[in-house]
Amino acid sequence: ETGVTQSPTHLIKTRGQQVTLRCSSQSGHNTVSWYQQALGQGPQFIFQYYREEENGRGNFPPRFSGLQFPNYSSELNVNALELDDSALYLCASSPRISSGSVNEQFFGPGTRLTVL
Amino acid sequence: SQQGEEDPQALSIQEGENATMNCSYKTSINNLQWYRQNSGRGLVHLILIRSNEREKHSGRLRVTLDTSKKSSSLLITASRAADTASYFCATASANQAGTALIFGKGTTLSVSS
Repeated sequence: ETGVTQSPTHLIKTRGQQVTLRCSSQSGHNTVSWYQQALGQGPQFIFQYYREEENGRGNFPPRFSGLQFPNYSSELNVNALELDDSALYLCASSPRISSGSVNEQFFGPGTRLTVL
Repeated sequence: SQQGEEDPQALSIQEGENATMNCSYKTSINNLQWYRQNSGRGLVHLILIRSNEREKHSGRLRVTLDTSKKSSSLLITASRAADTASYFCATASANQAGTALIFGKGTTLSVSS
């Protein structure tokens, strides 16, 4: 088990609502990435934060936004929820960015979001 | 978008048998990683192989990488019921520094006793 925690574990929202998911990174890790995993699929990269700034973004609309705090914990915010946003949201932390590579990621247990 | 494609999608074996999963990818990579996921929960890192390596071992795991064919394989020897899980390959692009891992769709492994 990694030292990455996520809250809440499960969440049910209705279409159009907004949601905030939280992640505490493993001690000593300053980089946090968020992934969306639809049922039966692999995780898809949403974005990454390094030292409180967005450091890369996948193919997700602007209604997906995030924050990283000075203690390196992070939030994922999703506005105007759609049915297709129903998924497992995974947060992963890593010690630092190595130039030219992404090394081992330490994943949290995920937040299961259901949009009705 | 998914970079890697795992094959097979599902695999059922008996305890003690070996399990082999394959992964193909599309673009140049810096490294390739394998992860395990139990019952739709968090992913656990298994092994990382760099683009200049051809084979790597970790306990009962053996990973190979063929960059000319853009493919990798994960071999689990002497499988146990506890190995039942989904296995994903993930690539770190050589063209994009320090950001995303690109995952495949995974192979679901069932090991029965």
